[in-house]
Amino acid sequence: EVQLVESGGGLVKPGGSLRLSCAASGLTFSTYSMNWVRQAPGKGLEWVSFISTTSSHIYYADSVKGRFTISRDDARNSLFLQMNSLRAEDTAVYYCATSARGIQNWRPLDYWGQGTLVTVSS
Amino acid sequence: QSTLTQPPSASGSPGQSVTISCTGTSSDVGGDNYVSWYQQHPGKAPKLMIYEVYRRPSGVPDRFSGSRSGNTASLTVSGLQADDEADYYCCSDAGINNLRVFGGGTKLTVL
Repeated sequence: EVQLVESGGGLVKPGGSLRLSCAASGLTFSTYSMNWVRQAPGKGLEWVSFISTTSSHIYYADSVKGRFTISRDDARNSLFLQMNSLRAEDTAVYYCATSARGIQNWRPLDYWGQGTLVTVSS
Repeated sequence: QSTLTQPPSASGSPGQSVTISCTGTSSDVGGDNYVSWYQQHPGKAPKLMIYEVYRRPSGVPDRFSGSRSGNTASLTVSGLQADDEADYYCCSDAGINNLRVFGGGTKLTVL
């Protein structure tokens, strides 16, 4: 059974930094591309970032470009999201997600974690 | 990047059918076949219901179907059941910018 478990969320002040992690099990992590998707309280889903296998292709939503950095450690079966210069509008539940149907960035997201809440507030 | 346009709400009685629309542009929904739909119950992670416009993952009931006409994709839920009450999101590849866009979501109420 595939499991994705996010961690690292919490309360941070505007302008601060936070690093999210996603621990994967039940799959050969190195062969899966990965995504971060977020959901502000009471709002819809917003795709944040994508990283391919071998980290050769990385994409970001315009709203986080230049502030967030996605990375992966295949030896630790882990995905990361380094979030800098955080703003109130970054407050959201952050999900890691991946596809069972291929590694391209457009593949549908079959597997999701339970999410970790990031709150940006003074 | 813009979100795809969905109606904020939809409703139907048990046993009825309801269709949720998702309108984009020729650069996303109307482009290639990478439209998907997700169901989300309160406090839960999203669940993939439809991918590549009309394909159903294993385990998703055939009461759920997808289609597309031009720049508008649709999700139809037939034979509504109480557990279908949830938020539904469409999603599309956004073309050359290698981005992914979601719709604003539709809250489906089973009356």
